[in-house]
Amino acid sequence: GQNIDQPTEMTATEGAIVQINCTYQTSGFNGLFWYQQHAGEAPTFLSYNVLDGLEEKGRFSSFLSRSKGYSYLLLKELQMKDSASYLCAQGGSSNTGKLIFGQGTTLQVKP
Amino acid sequence: DTAVSQTPKYLVTQMGNDKSIKCEQNLGHDTMYWYKQDSKKFLKIMFSYNNKELIINETVPNRFSPKSPDKAHLNLHINSLELGDSAVYFCASSQGGTMNTEAFFGQGTRLTVV
Repeated sequence: GQNIDQPTEMTATEGAIVQINCTYQTSGFNGLFWYQQHAGEAPTFLSYNVLDGLEEKGRFSSFLSRSKGYSYLLLKELQMKDSASYLCAQGGSSNTGKLIFGQGTTLQVKP
Repeated sequence: DTAVSQTPKYLVTQMGNDKSIKCEQNLGHDTMYWYKQDSKKFLKIMFSYNNKELIINETVPNRFSPKSPDKAHLNLHINSLELGDSAVYFCASSQGGTMNTEAFFGQGTRLTVV
């Protein structure tokens, strides 16, 4: 199977920067996604990396290293509304659009 | 204009009952999915349909039967509900089943079996 590991919980301060790490199994790699999920709501897409390097999108950036099976999501200038779960997901190897999710990292932003 | 909508949002029912959850997407996507999110917040794929054809069935008990009358709709029928079926069920869609693209999720259906 494909194991995706990310920390269960993180806490950070408003205005700070936080990095959420994710490791995955490299066999059958087919892209790495990050989703945000607020409590009681649907996951929403944040980023997609298929090549090595950093993808920047406003306050959020995502990094991928395929050789290391490693990704991170970087959140800058944290706001209270960034308190949510952040889900790392790997694209399924059969190219069906299937997503294999980690258990998610619950981020709490404190004043 | 909701992109992926599913009904109902909440469903409380007794063990042994049969229930259905409906999902519709207005994005023109070819592929639709059902995911289950358990109490530990793991999101796990159950089924995927591409243009009304079943392409993924992830070892789900056959009490769960998806139906796709057209590519904009994917419904989930569950027979003989069990306590362990309690979870949040998310419908999702994406463009194309042959490439990994962004998936859009519905708001979820919280199913509680008592």
